Amino acid sequence: DVKVTQSSRYLVKRTGEKVFLECVQDMDHENMFWYRQDPGLGLRLIYFSYDVKMKEKGDIPEGYSVSREKKERFSLILESASTNQTSMYLCASTLSQGIGYTFGSGTRLTVV
Amino acid sequence: GIQVEQSPPDLILQEGANSTLRCNFSDSVNNLQWFHQNPWGQLINLFYIPSGTKQNGRLSATTVATERYSLLYISSSQTTDSGVYFCAVIQGAQKLVFGQGTRLTINP
Repeated sequence: DVKVTQSSRYLVKRTGEKVFLECVQDMDHENMFWYRQDPGLGLRLIYFSYDVKMKEKGDIPEGYSVSREKKERFSLILESASTNQTSMYLCASTLSQGIGYTFGSGTRLTVV
Repeated sequence: GIQVEQSPPDLILQEGANSTLRCNFSDSVNNLQWFHQNPWGQLINLFYIPSGTKQNGRLSATTVATERYSLLYISSSQTTDSGVYFCAVIQGAQKLVFGQGTRLTINP
């Protein structure tokens, strides 16, 4: 069964810390994505990548960066965590044309 | 950009009931998908249905692309069907644009 694995289910970090959220997929998918989900705002795209070492900004990239050194791994980095980055973070991957969109189980991040 | 609207926002049913969830979209699409988010936050891809009808067990979906809507049918609901159902369409480079979701609660 295909899988997208996020390294942490729950995470609590302090304001100003550098935070790494890791995502690994085993499906050889080209495209990988990071979304955040907030009540009343739905799911919003932060960054995506369509190939190794390639990245594109989504709708809300401010305060975030990403890294894709290997095809299977896509990391989201919060350079200096702030309380307004408290959220549910969801990683996803897909083949080209959007077929096979698969999400990880999510990381619930709290910044205190 | 494309707008995706879902209705109803909330639905509460008794176990065994049938339900229909609707998704309207503002522009022509060829890649509509339905997802179920369980109470623990996991999003599961239910259907990739750009047009026509598909069935998977008690769930089925129909997309009428020319009229810009899709319907998700759940028959003989079970408590495990509870959660939020999202429809989404792909815009640009495989980016998903989600509706706001329908929160379904199935009571025993």
